[in-house]
Amino acid sequence: ELKVEQNPLFLSMQEGKNYTIYCNYSTTSDRLYWYRQDPGKSLESLFVLLSNGAVKQEGRLMASLDTKARLSTLHITAAVHDLSATYFCAVDAVGGYQKVTFGTGTKLQVIP
Amino acid sequence: IAGITQAPTSQILAAGRRMTLRCTQDMRHNAMYWYRQDLGLGLRLIHYSNTAGTTGKGEVPDGYSVSRANTDDFPLTLASAVPSQTSVYFCASSEAGTQYFGPGTRLTVL
Repeated sequence: ELKVEQNPLFLSMQEGKNYTIYCNYSTTSDRLYWYRQDPGKSLESLFVLLSNGAVKQEGRLMASLDTKARLSTLHITAAVHDLSATYFCAVDAVGGYQKVTFGTGTKLQVIP
Repeated sequence: IAGITQAPTSQILAAGRRMTLRCTQDMRHNAMYWYRQDLGLGLRLIHYSNTAGTTGKGEVPDGYSVSRANTDDFPLTLASAVPSQTSVYFCASSEAGTQYFGPGTRLTVL
């Protein structure tokens, strides 16, 4: 059974600081996703990481994937209040999209 | 382009009642999914469909059923609602793995 763990579960940080959210998964995977969810809203796709060593960046967010370590990171650079949200990683088990498993999410609060 | 729509937005339901949550997409994606989101548990897959005419069970399928008569629609039915089914329900469709989520339905079963 594929397990996906995120840490920390909750992160409070000041504007301007850097921090990293970690996503570990338990079995071989084809691909890894990061999503953002604002309070009371739906999920929005941020990144799709398809191979070992993949790195993607969008604004102040950068995601990377190490398939050998079964680890993805979401790095936040110089955080701003607008980044406050819950961030989820999700992993495809090998064999199909229907096996996507989500982590429990990291709630990020950026304090002005 | 609407993407994915869900109805109703929210619903309060008496235990034992039957309820169908509706989901429609206009992106012509083959794969569709139903998740429930509960505090501290993230999203859990209820049922999925790889293409019209096929469905499969996810992580928490008990008490729920789905159908996929065509590409666009993927309704979720609770045959006899119980309080533990109180949750926020998200429908999603996918293209090349990335999932696109609907706005969600907040369901309260009393």
